[in-house]
Parts: sequence; structure tokens; C-alpha cells
Amino acid sequence: GQNIDQPTEMTATEGAIVQINCTYQTSGFNGLFWYQQHAGEAPTFLSYNVLDGLEEKGRFSSFLSRSKGYSYLLLKELQMKDSASYLCVAGKSNYQLIWGAGTKLIIKP
Amino acid sequence: DTAVSQTPKYLVTQMGNDKSIKCEQNLGHDTMYWYKQDSKKFLKIMFSYNNKELIINETVPNRFSPKSPDKAHLNLHINSLELGDSAVYFCASSPQVQGVSTDTQYFGPGTRLTVL
Repeated sequence: GQNIDQPTEMTATEGAIVQINCTYQTSGFNGLFWYQQHAGEAPTFLSYNVLDGLEEKGRFSSFLSRSKGYSYLLLKELQMKDSASYLCVAGKSNYQLIWGAGTKLIIKP
Repeated sequence: DTAVSQTPKYLVTQMGNDKSIKCEQNLGHDTMYWYKQDSKKFLKIMFSYNNKELIINETVPNRFSPKSPDKAHLNLHINSLELGDSAVYFCASSPQVQGVSTDTQYFGPGTRLTVL
């Protein structure tokens, strides 16, 4: 089968660091996306990993291990505006994307 | 300037009615999608078109029919609306070609459909 697992909800403090983990299982895997979705809004692209390793982009970094079927999104220097859902998405070679249910991140002052 | 636009943004209708949602992208992308996001926040793909050709057609009731008059537009028509159709419907586009889903998808603002 195919599925994506990520925590339902996480809480962190403003200024801190948080890591959101994701495990995936799917055939024809060819890359892992992370999207951010604020309540009531559309998802917006954050990152894409196709090779193993860490990709850094400002305060956000994303890691992929293809052999372990594992990815994480690392958010540094958390700001209140980072409160959102973070969606882990597995890309497949036949156009399909397998979406996780998202991790709701709550930032507290 | 809007990259991916959808109309209407909100749609409230009675069970049994037929309604359409329109989507347009001005990014010059080859591929467009329709997703349904239910109350549990899962984003489920419904359809995908590449250059006006249907390439993904997930298990969706045949009351849902997509129409792509050109590669910049992908409309969704829903017949005989049911209570369970209430959800947010997102249109998206991406520049991918040849069956490789490695490109970022750009989403429209969503259409919140409420069936009474």
C-alpha cells in the first residue's frame, strides 16, 4: 500500500527550533515535498527533496532518507506566523502525489 | 496578477443541484489538478489534466466531471450534489511534463462548497 505518517499536532515556543517528522511508504517514489497551509488558505510550497540529505532554505530545512522512507522539516527561530499545518507529500513517477494529513504546529509566545 | 484563480470562493447550495467551479492559471503550466480537502484536512487528488488530456482520474463518483477547454483552464462540474460533497476544493497547476511529478504545484485559493 501507500501511506504517509506524520504527527497530528505539535507545540513549540517562539524563537525555538522544531522538527516535524514524516515517514512514507509508496511505490514509484521520486521525491518528497513539504507544503505549508495556514488555516482557511491554500497550501504553499516549502521544499522538495529528491536526493538523500539536507536542503537548507533560510529558516527552513528539509531532510530526506530514501532508504528509510523518512523525511523531516526543521524550522528554526520560530515566529508566530509559522503557526500552520505542514503537509508531507510523496511524489510518484506517474504524476501522483500522496498527501499526508498534515501536522498542525502551534507556536506559543 | 493572480497565478491560479478559482471561482466562486464560496458556494452554498441544496442537495440535488448541479454546480460548477472554474479554475484558471496564467503561469503557462502544462498540468492542472483538482483536489478535495475534507473536514479531516486530507488533500485527495480527484483529477489531473496535462495539455487538455485527462491523466489522473481517481476513484471519484461520476457525478464529478472535469472539463479542460484549454491548458489554462480546468473546470469542475458536479451533478446531483450530496451532503458528503461539502468540502474545500482546490485547483492547482504545475509545469511538469511526461509523467514526472517533480514540479511544485501552485494552488488556487480554494472553493468552500457547502451542501445543505
